[in-house]
Amino acid sequence: NFMLTQPHSVSESPGKTVTISCTRSSGSIASNYVQWYQQRPGSAPTTVIYEDNQRPSGVPDRFSGSIDSSSNSASLTISGLKTEDEADYYCQSYDSSNVVFGGGTKLTVL
Amino acid sequence: QITLKESGPTLVKPTQTLTLTCTFSGFSLSTSGVGVGWIRQPPGKALEWLALIYWDDDKRYSPSLKSRLTITKDTSKNQVVLTMTNMDPVDTATYYCAHTSQWLGQNFDYWGQGTLVTVSS
Repeated sequence: NFMLTQPHSVSESPGKTVTISCTRSSGSIASNYVQWYQQRPGSAPTTVIYEDNQRPSGVPDRFSGSIDSSSNSASLTISGLKTEDEADYYCQSYDSSNVVFGGGTKLTVL
Repeated sequence: QITLKESGPTLVKPTQTLTLTCTFSGFSLSTSGVGVGWIRQPPGKALEWLALIYWDDDKRYSPSLKSRLTITKDTSKNQVVLTMTNMDPVDTATYYCAHTSQWLGQNFDYWGQGTLVTVSS
């Protein structure tokens, strides 16, 4: 089984850009797609990025995803930060047998 | 329009078995590639994947909980049922069901509202 490791928290000012990383412990990050979910308090998660870098309809293009095989990690980048982006963000991937979520990153926009 | 809703007890006693039902609409679990998963979240903690069942009855379980979980589907009723045996207070969490597809990179694109299950005597 593999794990996905995220920073516990990140903070940045409105209008700035923030990047959240998600490192896969074993197996190639490129072998299976990575998703990113946003979760606001009291609500179910919603997808902001799927299949590494695809945005669902309705998600602003300020959100982007990428993978880096050299560091075996995925990244979620949010540009032009807004206070409404303050939330918990989770990466998720899978292998032939399992689905794995990262530990989540609390984004504070201050 | 795809919707999912979890139902089941809000309070269970330690050692009891939890049975949760996910009732969905807007898709069929007999459609190629479609799956329904269960994910839980203890208060203030991270999401944890529990189980997944696909259109062809292929079933996957979290390795750490596999011995306690059973997932089944009733395609005619548009329902997926998760049972978890030997409940413990550490299993207190909000339990979500979610739609996924093998053709969409295993993205959980639609989620239920979640149901909070408390384990206490």
